[in-house]
Amino acid sequence: GQQVMQIPQYQHVQEGEDFTTYCNSSTTLSNIQWYKQRPGGHPVFLIQLVKSGEVKKQKRLTFQFGEAKKNSSLHITATQTTDVGTYFCADLNDYKLSFGAGTTVTVRA
Amino acid sequence: DTAVSQTPKYLVTQMGNDKSIKCEQNLGHDTMYWYKQDSKKFLKIMFSYNNKELIINETVPNRFSPKSPDKAHLNLHINSLELGDSAVYFCASSPDGEFNYGYTFGSGTRLTVV
Repeated sequence: GQQVMQIPQYQHVQEGEDFTTYCNSSTTLSNIQWYKQRPGGHPVFLIQLVKSGEVKKQKRLTFQFGEAKKNSSLHITATQTTDVGTYFCADLNDYKLSFGAGTTVTVRA
Repeated sequence: DTAVSQTPKYLVTQMGNDKSIKCEQNLGHDTMYWYKQDSKKFLKIMFSYNNKELIINETVPNRFSPKSPDKAHLNLHINSLELGDSAVYFCASSPDGEFNYGYTFGSGTRLTVV
């Protein structure tokens, strides 16, 4: 199946700052889903992007699907300690959800 | 009230043993999955069942055998456990044809083989 690459692998953020995590593929993605996994927890669904150029917002989180559907991004503004965790993008193709390696976020208070 | 429940939560066992992990979902979903998460947090799909029928079977050693007695249950049996099987195993489910709500994951089973 397709492989999605996520960067960066680790993100250390000062509380109150913004950051972005990226998801890239060499081939066109069907649907992109984003998940968050808190330390010691399980992946929790955040959002799905389907259309080229789609932008969706959830409070301080902004998700974007590239025009060519080969990349996606998650931007978090005014980072809080509750944002700690690993954020995964995942390609949903042919009923199979294939995850990127994740971006693990730590927050400095 | 738990949507996807897995048991046990922790499993410590010796090499060579056989063990099972159970999963149940009360969401009425048609498809269930097993994922393995390694120590680097990489999540890899192992199996998927749709209405008790196996639809995804990734390159997994045949020591791993899933069983779905009905669409609400998907169990994973592992024979002759090896050190490399140590990981967190997640069960998940999703409804047919409706992916706007994503997959719902269980809380995971942390398997440690010693």
